[in-house]
Amino acid sequence: NAGVTQTPKFQVLKTGQSMTLQCAQDMNHEYMSWYRQDPGMGLRLIHYSVGAGITDQGEVPNGYNVSRSTTEDFPLRLLSAAPSQTSVYFCASSRTPPWETQYFGPGTRLLVL
Amino acid sequence: AQSVAQPEDQVNVAEGNPLTVKCTYSVSGNPYLFWYVQYPNRGLQFLLKYITGDNLVKGSYGFEAEFNKSQTSFHLKKPSALVSDSALYFCASYTGNQFYFGTGTSLTVIP
Repeated sequence: NAGVTQTPKFQVLKTGQSMTLQCAQDMNHEYMSWYRQDPGMGLRLIHYSVGAGITDQGEVPNGYNVSRSTTEDFPLRLLSAAPSQTSVYFCASSRTPPWETQYFGPGTRLLVL
Repeated sequence: AQSVAQPEDQVNVAEGNPLTVKCTYSVSGNPYLFWYVQYPNRGLQFLLKYITGDNLVKGSYGFEAEFNKSQTSFHLKKPSALVSDSALYFCASYTGNQFYFGTGTSLTVIP
């Protein structure tokens, strides 16, 4: 198993550009989530999904969209990038119930200029 | 509001000494609590969790945590620290399909 994979590993964007961060898992996990990690802030939940076709907002959803068309994939879209979205983004997945062990991807480092 | 707090940004301990990384929680109802570790330029890795049952929870790599309801704490412990334990440690709580992470504690084990 590859586990949780994320692409790209690093990305530089200009303010106003859009992009999609990819996340995939091959463990048939129902629960998937996106976090951003900022210095001194820990990890904050952006969006999560409890299964294909079901998504919901986390703590910091503004400026981000998600969709879950398959069990395996959970892309995160930045519609119009802002410097405040400079961060490291982590995707995670777990079985249900969601308090099972979460498996994290290696992260995507995003710089918005 | 559901939250966890890690009062120490940095903990230094000598190799071979016991280590403690502190976490306090503020959750309604029965708390679901977790510890994760992050090595440099890596994603988080699960260490242990408390859902119910024994207050002392044993996890990966020799770590354990003690759930204390009266003090609303869930401190991470290890009897003898290794240099390889140096990493960033996160406490987290779960409720309503959402996880809430603390701000992290950087542990340095000094040879």
